[in-house]
Amino acid sequence: DTAVSQTPKYLVTQMGNDKSIKCEQNLGHDTMYWYKQDSKKFLKIMFSYNNKELIINETVPNRFSPKSPDKAHLNLHINSLELGDSAVYFCASSQAEWYGYTFGSGTRLTVV
Amino acid sequence: DAKTTQPPSMDCAEGRAANLPCNHSTISGNEYVYWYRQIHSQGPQYIIHGLKNNETNEMASLIITEDRKSSTLILPHATLRDTAVYYCIVRVAGNQFYFGTGTSLTVIP
Repeated sequence: DTAVSQTPKYLVTQMGNDKSIKCEQNLGHDTMYWYKQDSKKFLKIMFSYNNKELIINETVPNRFSPKSPDKAHLNLHINSLELGDSAVYFCASSQAEWYGYTFGSGTRLTVV
Repeated sequence: DAKTTQPPSMDCAEGRAANLPCNHSTISGNEYVYWYRQIHSQGPQYIIHGLKNNETNEMASLIITEDRKSSTLILPHATLRDTAVYYCIVRVAGNQFYFGTGTSLTVIP
């Protein structure tokens, strides 16, 4: 009965590869997000999607492309991976604008 | 959204109340105060939020000063599982959550 689930949990890949991280929520929420947490533990929002529509893109390189096939899914595709992309990526969702977010357990991406 | 200031770290004895302060002196009338926590290697967890009244739920209490320039998150009986980084965030409803550096709370046996 996981609310926000991400796969995979760990991802190790070489520079230059293309990879995807999947996110699904079973809460019926309309809005989903991607956050990146770097090695200094700073959490930064990357994207926000509302009902399959991109709402915010916070100065993220265009190598990162979110895709939302339906409002329960928000996948993150990354092209030409770089060492600096190594981080933990968290997916989240929310029900309404004043509610808090429900976060997934994260995907630890390591680029070697 | 207004900025917040939190102490970088705090300790609390197990079973005692943990009081985590947050300053948000530039908060505006339509901004809410939210608290999240992040236990090591897990995703952030929503705790509580409020506008101007004090709030309580099963996890914690939120005390907001009358001028709304500061707030305190209270964990009434801290346990070892409450060891985490606690984030105080101020935002207008509908805006994104911007996380700062938070307070690293260590509950000591």
